[in-house]
Order: sequence, then C-alpha cells, then structure tokens
Amino acid sequence: AQSVTQPDIHITVSEGASLELRCNYSYGATPYLFWYVQSPGQGLQLLLKYFSGDTLVQGIKGFEAEFKRSQSSFNLRKPSVHWSDAAEYFCAVGAENSGYALNFGKGTSLLVTP
Amino acid sequence: DGGITQSPKYLFRKEGQNVTLSCEQNLNHDAMYWYRQDPGQGLRLIYYSQIVNDFQKGDIAEGYSVSREKKESFPLTVTSAQKNPTAFYLCASRKGTGPYEQYFGPGTRLTVT
Repeated sequence: AQSVTQPDIHITVSEGASLELRCNYSYGATPYLFWYVQSPGQGLQLLLKYFSGDTLVQGIKGFEAEFKRSQSSFNLRKPSVHWSDAAEYFCAVGAENSGYALNFGKGTSLLVTP
Repeated sequence: DGGITQSPKYLFRKEGQNVTLSCEQNLNHDAMYWYRQDPGQGLRLIYYSQIVNDFQKGDIAEGYSVSREKKESFPLTVTSAQKNPTAFYLCASRKGTGPYEQYFGPGTRLTVT
C-alpha cells in the first residue's frame, strides 16, 4: 500500500534562511507526487508536482522539489523563506488504481521567526 | 471565476442528526473527492467519483454517503452512524482521466455536539 511520511511535525526557521521539508513515500510503481500548502482554516493550494521527466521541479512562490527514486524522497526546498511562508505543508502521492485520489502525509507546520 | 465552492464554511449540528455538506465546481472537472482533516492527521479520503452516477469508497467511508447526479456537484452526507463527525471537510476536483493535480475548495468545518 502506498504511504507518505513527513518526519518533521514542526519546523522553525528564521526569515531569510533556507528551508527544506522532508517527504518520503512508499509506492510500488512510479508515483505522482505533490506538495500542497494550507493556511489556517483554508483549503489547499498546489505548490508543485512531479509526474515524470526532470527530477528537479519548480513551483510557485519560489519553491522547488527534487524527486530521488533511490531514496524514495521528494523534499521541498526554498532558498530564502519569507514570513508569509508560515503555513502547513503537505506532501501527497496519487495512484492510478484509486482514481488518482491523494494519499497525504500528516503535514509539517512551518513557523518563521523575524 | 472558475473554482470550487463549499458551503457553509461553518456548520453546527446536534448528535444524531444527518447533515449534508455542499460541494460545487465550475471547472468542468470529471473527478471529485471528499477528504476529512483532523489535527495532526493530514487528510484522509472519504469518497471519490470519476464520472457522474458513479463513486467509490475511500479509506474512511463508514458513516458517510455521497451522490453524483451532476458533473458539477458532489454533496457529502454525514450520517448519525459516523462516530466522530467533528472535523474539517475538504472537497477537491481533478480534470480528465490522467494524473492531474487536484484543486481544493475552502472547506467546511463541522461541529457536532
């Protein structure tokens, strides 16, 4: 069965510092991978996605992620964090055999300090 | 503007009552999904539908029911059989039949007392 693990429940970074959020997945076939962001009490917004091809994908708001098949990872990065990046971040994997429904990690809460 | 609407944003019900959450999309998407979000649990799939008049159970379908009579609408009913219905409910949609991304609505927070 597919699963997604986000090892870090909370992360605190200083504004202007770099960020890396970890995501590991377990899935037999080629995974369809996503990162979403959620502000409190809101819906989810897509940051970026990976289906195939170039393993380094660029997303919105200056985020990027790298797919590493050997490590079953899809970590999210940003070179310089802004205070407005404080939110909950979710990694998800979609599978063809379940109508591409998403299997989510439990999320990482990002706090940005001045 | 195209998008997904969920109404109401906040919903309060007494225990033992059924309640229906609305989800409408004008994106002309084929597939629609319902997820439940609890603190620290991420999102879990309740039901999904890939075409009109067809839907499948997700991981936590017990105590819930859905219908898909129109392409743009996918209402979720939380029945009295759902043991712990208080949660944040999110609806999403996806175009086509391939691995496209899902677009999410703003969510409905349901509180049952």
